[in-house]
Amino acid sequence: DAGVIQSPRHEVTEMGQEVTLRCKPISGHNSLFWYRQTMMRGLELLIYFNNNVPIDDSGMPEDRFSAKMPNASFSTLKIQPSEPRDSAVYFCASSLRSEQYFGPGTRLTVT
Amino acid sequence: AQSVTQPDIHITVSEGASLELRCNYSYGATPYLFWYVQSPGQGLQLLLKYFSGDTLVQGIKGFEAEFKRSQSSFNLRKPSVHWSDAAEYFCAVGDAFGNEKLTFGTGTRLTIIP
Repeated sequence: DAGVIQSPRHEVTEMGQEVTLRCKPISGHNSLFWYRQTMMRGLELLIYFNNNVPIDDSGMPEDRFSAKMPNASFSTLKIQPSEPRDSAVYFCASSLRSEQYFGPGTRLTVT
Repeated sequence: AQSVTQPDIHITVSEGASLELRCNYSYGATPYLFWYVQSPGQGLQLLLKYFSGDTLVQGIKGFEAEFKRSQSSFNLRKPSVHWSDAAEYFCAVGDAFGNEKLTFGTGTRLTIIP
């Protein structure tokens, strides 16, 4: 199994631009999670899906952030417009029976 | 609400020495418990998990953890650390009732000295 796949691995963008992060979960997993990790705030859960349906988006910082899961094998996290304070590593994880497996992350830098 | 406390922010251990990382949780029923490891620049990797049964669980890379209900603890141990064990370690708690969300601790950074 290839594990959780995230793209891009690194993204550098200017403030105000739209950013889209992508995730392919492990086949057969029924839950998908988006996290953000920074030195200041640690690991934060942004949103999670179960069977492609958003279950808990209470961690989404504001309306600039949106996430979709159109099918069981793909999810996106979009930031529009991006701001420097969005700079972080964004992780996608998928799970089956509570065992979460993380992707390698996308390091986002907003200048 | 469930919560996880990792009281040690940073631990330094000599190579070859034993290791114990502490984790305390708060949860109203029998929890699911996990330890993850994160090497620099990497995602989190699952080390081991406890769902039920034997309270001493074995994981990858020679790690083990013991669930102690009376102390609400799930401490991670390794008898002899290697330089490659230097990383950040996260304890996490989940519930057994279908909600797959995990609550993570703030992590313990492990430094290994030669």
